[in-house]
Amino acid sequence: DIQMTQSPSSLSASVGDRVTITCRASQSINTYLNWYQQRPGKAPKLLIYAASSLQSGVSSRFSGSGSGTQFILTISSLQPEDFVSYYCQQSYSSPPTFGQGTKVEIK
Amino acid sequence: QLQLQESGPGLVKPSETLSLTCTVSGGSISSSSYYWGWIRQPPGKGLEWIGSMYYSGRTYYNPSLKSRVTISGDTSKNQFSLRLSSVTAADTAVYYCARLGTATVTTVYWYFDLWGRGTLVTVSS
Repeated sequence: DIQMTQSPSSLSASVGDRVTITCRASQSINTYLNWYQQRPGKAPKLLIYAASSLQSGVSSRFSGSGSGTQFILTISSLQPEDFVSYYCQQSYSSPPTFGQGTKVEIK
Repeated sequence: QLQLQESGPGLVKPSETLSLTCTVSGGSISSSSYYWGWIRQPPGKGLEWIGSMYYSGRTYYNPSLKSRVTISGDTSKNQFSLRLSSVTAADTAVYYCARLGTATVTTVYWYFDLWGRGTLVTVSS
């Protein structure tokens, strides 16, 4: 299985900050990388697919980049509703695997 | 607007079989454009893919669970189901059903684009 490792596991930031979350794959996955946002008690929501394509209806303050083994999710200006958890997921090979998650907390 | 809704017992005894159903509304599981899947999340932990199916009956399972998992579909009811046998406390989790969507950028990419609300299943005697 391809292992996905996110860093940091948690971070503290303020409204308006620019934040980045990193996801590393244990082997090259080209750009087969998706990002999800999960609010407490809710299902994950797709933000980014194919490493950098913004899902329809998702705010443009979210962006993704990377290829191969290293990927980045950037939130350009944190809004109050963004203080939740984020997960990366590879779709390069089966089984699809997720990172362990990054929790964004209010500083 | 397509929606997915999980249903099934919230409490299952150890060694028994967990059975959940996902009812799809506003769309058809017989669509040739999509696969359908199950993902679970133990309390306070990360996400684990269980398996996926195509309306034709083709299935894909996580090797870590393959010996205990069966996913099947009922196109007449527009539902698909999960059965997980010989459960233990480690199978306690929120279980989500989801649609696998695809997009062609430079090649075909797939992702979980629509999810049910999830249902908590506790394994306990």
